[in-house]
Amino acid sequence: GQNIDQPTEMTATEGAIVQINCTYQTSGFNGLFWYQQHAGEAPTFLSYNVLDGLEEKGRFSSFLSRSKGYSYLLLKELQMKDSASYLCDVMDSNYQLIWGAGTKLIIKP
Amino acid sequence: DGGITQSPKYLFRKEGQNVTLSCEQNLNHDAMYWYRQDPGQGLRLIYYSQIVNDFQKGDIAEGYSVSREKKESFPLTVTSAQKNPTAFYLCATGGGETQYFGPGTRLLVL
Repeated sequence: GQNIDQPTEMTATEGAIVQINCTYQTSGFNGLFWYQQHAGEAPTFLSYNVLDGLEEKGRFSSFLSRSKGYSYLLLKELQMKDSASYLCDVMDSNYQLIWGAGTKLIIKP
Repeated sequence: DGGITQSPKYLFRKEGQNVTLSCEQNLNHDAMYWYRQDPGQGLRLIYYSQIVNDFQKGDIAEGYSVSREKKESFPLTVTSAQKNPTAFYLCATGGGETQYFGPGTRLLVL
């Protein structure tokens, strides 16, 4: 079967750095996405990785290792508004999206 | 402004009633999707459509129906056969490397 694994919940301190991990097992691979979702709202796109390595976008970076079936989202200089769920999803060989359950990130002052 | 609209924001369903959730887009995207999200869980695909007049079942299509008569519109009907419809419903369009989501409709059962 296909599945995506992420931690259910993480807690971090304002101003710090946090890394949210995602491991996947899918039928083929056509890219991995990270989305941010605030409570009661729709997900918003953060990043897309299809090649190995690190993609940096301001305070957010996303890393991919296809051989390990592994990705992480790195958030720097955490702000209170970063409190949200972070969803990892993978596009398989049939271009279907497999979604993880999301990681709820709690930021404390 | 380009975007995706969903209506209503909240919808109440009585037992045995069919209800229809609206999704409209002006992004000119061919692909459209319906997802269901339950509390603390990820997104589950209900139906998707890659082109007008064609749609495919997702992972949890039972109790739902859709139509795609126009490129801009992809309404979802939650039928009385769906015994546990309370959830957050998200419509999305595909634009190449990413999906764009509407604001969602929260469906509650009376």
